[in-house]
Amino acid sequence: GENVEQHPSTLSVQEGDSAVIKCTYSDSASNYFPWYKQELGKRPQLIIDIRSNVGEKKDQRIAVTLNKTAKHFSLHITETQPEDSAVYFCAASTGGTSYGKLTFGQGTILTVHP
Amino acid sequence: SQTIHQWPATLVQPVGSPLSLECTVEGTSNPNLYWYRQAAGRGLQLLFYSVGIGQISSEVPQNLSASRPQDRQFILSSKKLLLSDSGFYLCAWSVQAGGSEQYFGPGTRLTVT
Repeated sequence: GENVEQHPSTLSVQEGDSAVIKCTYSDSASNYFPWYKQELGKRPQLIIDIRSNVGEKKDQRIAVTLNKTAKHFSLHITETQPEDSAVYFCAASTGGTSYGKLTFGQGTILTVHP
Repeated sequence: SQTIHQWPATLVQPVGSPLSLECTVEGTSNPNLYWYRQAAGRGLQLLFYSVGIGQISSEVPQNLSASRPQDRQFILSSKKLLLSDSGFYLCAWSVQAGGSEQYFGPGTRLTVT
């Protein structure tokens, strides 16, 4: 089955700096890659996603890049703010079945210091 | 718009007691439904998924079971809770198309004492 590795497990940055979180996946058939943000005690929220026919996608201060050849994808957050502090999860899905099963990485705790 | 509800929000149960967590989705029909568990400080583990009424698939062998008695209702149960069942239980839904976005409910925090 699919295996998703996420790095780093913790990331500390100063406000205004950029943050990058990287994930690798094992199943070359995976074609959908979402990123979730989870604040303490809350539900994971989908913040951005990318499909395998696209190399990069941006939404304001966040962007995701995908390298299908190397089987890795990354989340980039620019001009970080304290409210960006949270746990971020990447995931991958083959999408080839009817149930869209997601395999999640282990998460990255991002801390943005004012 | 679609909304997903879970209850209860928090639950404290003794070891050996039964469990029933409920999840309902509004504003969509025939969704895929999922149950995840998240241990403290850990990632998301998929427990069950369902593509339709009465259709349940289990991802990992465990002390839990799931049922889908109605199109937009998903129930997680246990006959006898173990200490290791403690965690944050999240229900999620997606449209009936592989690889589509999943949206999570607010979760139930279960503590087994």
